[in-house]
Order: sequence, then C-alpha cells, then structure tokens
Amino acid sequence: DTVLTQSPALAVSPGERVSISCRASEGVNSYMHWYQQKPGQQPKLLIYKASNLASGVPARFSGSGSGTDFTLTIDPVEADDTATYFCQQSWNDPRTFGGGTKLELK
Amino acid sequence: EVQLVESGGGLVQPGRSLKLSCAASGFTFSNYYMAWVRQAPKKGLEWVATISTSGSRTYYPDSVKGRFTISRDNAKSSLYLQMNSLKSEDTATYYCARQMYTTDPFAYWGQGTLVTVSS
Repeated sequence: DTVLTQSPALAVSPGERVSISCRASEGVNSYMHWYQQKPGQQPKLLIYKASNLASGVPARFSGSGSGTDFTLTIDPVEADDTATYFCQQSWNDPRTFGGGTKLELK
Repeated sequence: EVQLVESGGGLVQPGRSLKLSCAASGFTFSNYYMAWVRQAPKKGLEWVATISTSGSRTYYPDSVKGRFTISRDNAKSSLYLQMNSLKSEDTATYYCARQMYTTDPFAYWGQGTLVTVSS
C-alpha cells in the first residue's frame, strides 16, 4: 500500500504562513488531495489533484507538488483554520490517507 | 445543495452483520461514483469501498474484501454497505462520499454513522 506520511502537529500564530507536508512511499503522479476536518465534523475537500482549489474554498489555501512530495499551504492562517488536515492519494490501489496533521493556533 | 445522510449504524456483536444506508439529494445520483470511507475513534481515515455509476464495478481494499459489499439503487438515490463477519477493528464512523471517478477525490461527505462492534 502507498503510505502517506504527515507530521502529526503544528502550531502557528494567526496571520502567519504555514506549510503542511505529505510524503508518499511511492509516486502518485499528481493525484493527491487535501481535506480539512474540524472536531465532530466530516472531512471537507480543500485541494484536489495537488494544486486545484475546491469550490468555495478560500484562496488562502493552496497546494503544490507531484510524484512523492506534496505541500498544503495556508497563507495567512486564521483562527478558524484550527483543524486536522489529511492528504489522500487516488493513483495507487488501495486509495490511502495520511495520518493527519493537527494544526493549532497559538 | 448536495446532501448525503447516512443511517443504520449501531452496536453489533463480533461476527454479526449490519447494513448501512446513505440517502443522497441535491444532485443527479446516477451520474456519480459513490464511496464509503471510515474513521476509527480518534484515528485517521480509511477508504472502504467504491461503486461505479451503474453499480457494475465495485472496488475494495483487502481489509474488507469478501466481508463488505457496496451497492446502490439509482431509482432511490441511495447507497448501501452490507457488512458481514464484523470484527472489533471495524468499529468506526462510516461516511458516505461522492466521487466523479475512482481517481477523483471524495468531493462531498455525509455526517457519518457510528458502528460499534463489541460483545
């Protein structure tokens, strides 16, 4: 299975820029997607196919990368961005998710 | 507005069966692939199953293959997950999600239904 590795947690101050990384154990082309999940809620799609902003998502969110290394960037971070962020690949079988990065605001 | 509403979760003993349902509205259900994704308590996300628009093709990871069956009724705009031979490790919140195709992201998610497998 394709293992997606994310750092477990990050803490940033509002107004700063934050980058959340996701490294795949094998190439996934550009088929990497990013989700935001707030406590008690379902995940919400933010970025699809590495760099495409999902409908209704603020332009503060952006994505980059290809192959095995991908990044979700939030600039500037707002208080409402407190959440866990998951990456997910849809190139290899089975489809897999990263373990999630919990973003906390200072 | 896209709406996905899951139901059918609950407490079930190991080895027993349970069937989940997902009622879809706000879009043409028959035009989309659909999927189930689960999340164990305080854990990450795991893809469970995907079904094609007509229902003729289904996809599963090895962890549930042979035990779980995904199906759909396009006339009723409904998605189902039949879960047999349940194990404690199947305990999770199960989400219904919409895709365009198997290589596409899970663009919309329901609120989820909790399945607890315990004696």
